[in-house]
Amino acid sequence: GAVVSQHPSRVICKSGTSVKIECRSLDFQATTMFWYRQFPKQSLMLMATSNEGSKATYEQGVEKDKFLINHASLTLSTLTVTSAHPEDSSFYICSARRDENTEAFFGQGTRLTVV
Amino acid sequence: EDKVVQSPLSLVVHEGDTVTLNCSYEVTNFRSLLWYKQEKKAPTFLFMLTSSGIEKKSGRLSSILDKKELFSILNITATQTGDSAVYLCAVRGASKLTFGTGTRLQVTL
Repeated sequence: GAVVSQHPSRVICKSGTSVKIECRSLDFQATTMFWYRQFPKQSLMLMATSNEGSKATYEQGVEKDKFLINHASLTLSTLTVTSAHPEDSSFYICSARRDENTEAFFGQGTRLTVV
Repeated sequence: EDKVVQSPLSLVVHEGDTVTLNCSYEVTNFRSLLWYKQEKKAPTFLFMLTSSGIEKKSGRLSSILDKKELFSILNITATQTGDSAVYLCAVRGASKLTFGTGTRLQVTL
């Protein structure tokens, strides 16, 4: 299957700082990338959908100014958690797909801990 | 709003047993249904189903979709301890993938 790389896999940051998470499709061009958040023992909750070259579409209840998403190229999307707080601590996962007719592949996820 | 419901929420079986996991959905403009296995990290893809009645198989795992009744099942035969994981069902609608809460499967010796 296709490879999606997410970095870092784990990050600890201080409250009030910003953290950037990268999601790269290594062997295909991803027209669409998705960002999810997962709390312990819960399912994945879609945060936003980003299409290359356009603004991300955020799900209801997700603050776009807090979770900045950039999809500047067909192989890279970034999620920046701005002014992070302890309640932002979670597992963030990206996925990427070539086009509408193919499945999405997931990155390894990033465990964010805000202290 | 699109909805995906999985059952059971959790399941404990003995190695060698066969299990059936259920997924029902309500979605606008259904495109496909996907099954994923999630262990400690990100989900790994198992199957994508788009047509009713056609079984997909991969080793001991198989899955089938019923678009009339709006559900899918994932079967695992001769379970092994390595099958212990959360199994996620997701449905793609017009624009996004909606996940169920998952079924937590534990296979014991």
